[in-house]
Amino acid sequence: EVQLVESGGGLVQPGGSLRLSCAASGFTFSNYAMGWVRQAPGKGLEWVSEISGRGATTFYADSVRGRFTISRDNSKNTLYLQINSLRPEDTAVFYCAKGLRFGEVRGSFDYWGQGTLVTVSS
Amino acid sequence: EIVLTQSPATLSLSPGERATLSCRASQSVSNYLVWYQQKPGQAPRLLIYDASNRATGIPARFSGSGSGTDFTLTISSLEPEDFAVYYCLQRANWPLTFGGGTKVEIK
Repeated sequence: EVQLVESGGGLVQPGGSLRLSCAASGFTFSNYAMGWVRQAPGKGLEWVSEISGRGATTFYADSVRGRFTISRDNSKNTLYLQINSLRPEDTAVFYCAKGLRFGEVRGSFDYWGQGTLVTVSS
Repeated sequence: EIVLTQSPATLSLSPGERATLSCRASQSVSNYLVWYQQKPGQAPRLLIYDASNRATGIPARFSGSGSGTDFTLTISSLEPEDFAVYYCLQRANWPLTFGGGTKVEIK
């Protein structure tokens, strides 16, 4: 059974940093691209970032490029999102998600974690 | 970036009725269009990928159609568990983008 479990969210002041983690199990982690999607309270979904299976290629939304860094450790089956220079508008639930097809980037996401809440406030 | 416009914003229907949701792209996305369902407090659930392919375990009452810029998600006969918010996602170009969502509510 595929499982994705996010952690690392919390309350942080504007300008602060957090590192989100997503522990994966139930599939061969390195074979699939992984992504992060966020959802501000009461709002819609926003794609944030994606990384290829081996970690060689990364992609970002314009709103986070230069502040967020996606990475993965395939030996630990874990996806990360380093988020810096946080702004109040970054307040959201952050979901990690698994790519649908073996080896494909820019793909559909078929499994999602339950999300971790990041709150940016002074 | 490609903008996806979903309509209507809210659809008020009764169980058993047919639901037709629209997603329009600002430029062609070929068939690289995905549909998700999200219920309150839950993560999104993949329904349809590549415009018309049902994901594993998705009931046959859900169907997707379209290509280029105009796409439709149809629920042939609404079940009580289908009342939720539906989002489309384009994966044709970076950055990936979501539509604003359509809420299907009980009339």
